[in-house]
Amino acid sequence: ETGVTQTPRHLVMGMTNKKSLKCEQHLGHNAMYWYKQSAKKPLELMFVYSLEERVENNSVPSRFSPECPNSSHLFLHLHTLQPEDSALYLCASSQETGEGGTEAFFGQGTRLTVV
Amino acid sequence: AQSVTQLGSHVSVSEGALVLLRCNYSSSVPPYLFWYVQYPNQGLQLLLKYTTGATLVKGINGFEAEFKKSETSFHLTKPSAHMSDAAEYFCAVAPRNTGFQKLVFGTGTRLLVSP
Repeated sequence: ETGVTQTPRHLVMGMTNKKSLKCEQHLGHNAMYWYKQSAKKPLELMFVYSLEERVENNSVPSRFSPECPNSSHLFLHLHTLQPEDSALYLCASSQETGEGGTEAFFGQGTRLTVV
Repeated sequence: AQSVTQLGSHVSVSEGALVLLRCNYSSSVPPYLFWYVQYPNQGLQLLLKYTTGATLVKGINGFEAEFKKSETSFHLTKPSAHMSDAAEYFCAVAPRNTGFQKLVFGTGTRLLVSP
């Protein structure tokens, strides 16, 4: 496989469930990201990992817990979510050079519905 | 703080007509500028980007954009629309003084192409 792969593509979960989203990148990049895409709102950056260390956490509720075990894999652990958390969750990766301007490659996303 | 404004949440054109999607940014220093496209049930794909040099940037699928510093704009154009261009288009900016791809996205413009 090539590029950025996210699984599952669709997920329906109850508010008391625990689930995880998985992202894998096959591009040799050193940075990975989680974004949330809600209807009629700009994409929201949730977490940034660079060299497997979390470097940004944009005031995301603790019911979202990221994990980056290595440079190719990124997880988003979910527990006790709310219906307003229903959205498309996008993973992205990039090769950071320290100067910005590099292209981010996105996965196809996981469509999450909280019931 | 940087911000992006995309005028028009929906733009409708006829097949073969000119496509013009507007993007204005707010930043104290000219940032890096991007246009991404998202087809239904897909992730985001980079169309083109401006970092430095020539202000007219050519991208994939016949799209191009021009960086105009005096107008703080980065409008996306295509001379002749095709049915396959129907998608959502996102303008994004990233700061120059950071090593991370911290994209700030606009709210998106949905392009509708009629026969």
